[in-house]
Amino acid sequence: AQSVTQLDSQVPVFEEAPVELRCNYSSSVSVYLFWYVQYPNQGLQLLLKYLSGSTLVKGINGFEAEFNKSQTSFHLRKPSVHISDTAEYFCAVSDRGYQKVTFGTGTKLQVIP
Amino acid sequence: EPEVTQTPSHQVTQMGQEVILRCVPISNHLYFYWYRQILGQKVEFLVSFYNNEISEKSEIFDDQFSVERPDGSNFTLKIRSTKLEDSAMYFCASSGRDREANEKLFFGSGTQLSVL
Repeated sequence: AQSVTQLDSQVPVFEEAPVELRCNYSSSVSVYLFWYVQYPNQGLQLLLKYLSGSTLVKGINGFEAEFNKSQTSFHLRKPSVHISDTAEYFCAVSDRGYQKVTFGTGTKLQVIP
Repeated sequence: EPEVTQTPSHQVTQMGQEVILRCVPISNHLYFYWYRQILGQKVEFLVSFYNNEISEKSEIFDDQFSVERPDGSNFTLKIRSTKLEDSAMYFCASSGRDREANEKLFFGSGTQLSVL
């Protein structure tokens, strides 16, 4: 069975500061990993995904994430955040060959002016 | 970018009543999903649907739930007799013609269901 742990439920950060949102996963097979973002009153939008290949994945809005198999982590980073990055961020995992995507509990990123 | 559309955005119902949540997936997609998010909790998988049948479902998706693709464009989730604990945001998603269906899900903006 697959699971995702996002240890930080809320992360406040000042504008233009760097941020890292942590994600750890567990799965018994090869996985796909995702970060989704949910802006207020909107649905989930794919930020980036790791399917295979390079462990450093770049996504939209200047975000990137690094897949670390030995640490079973997929942390999300941005070197300089903007007010518009205020949203909830969900890490997710899916076993290859299966349709089900399992989400973490989410991390609320609050960017402080 | 194409969108998944969900209606209504908010639905209020009395306990024991039937509700139907509606979704219009992206037109050339083949895989359809329902997820839900109870306030303050994680987004939970309910069911996936492919080739006019359920392909996976979670423990949450019991006999009170059903899904249907009644025509070429809509995908519905029916809850036969709603309970208070069914109150949640319900998200529809679809994915396309990728070799592996779970490579990218497109989500709708959700239907907030409130059971009174």
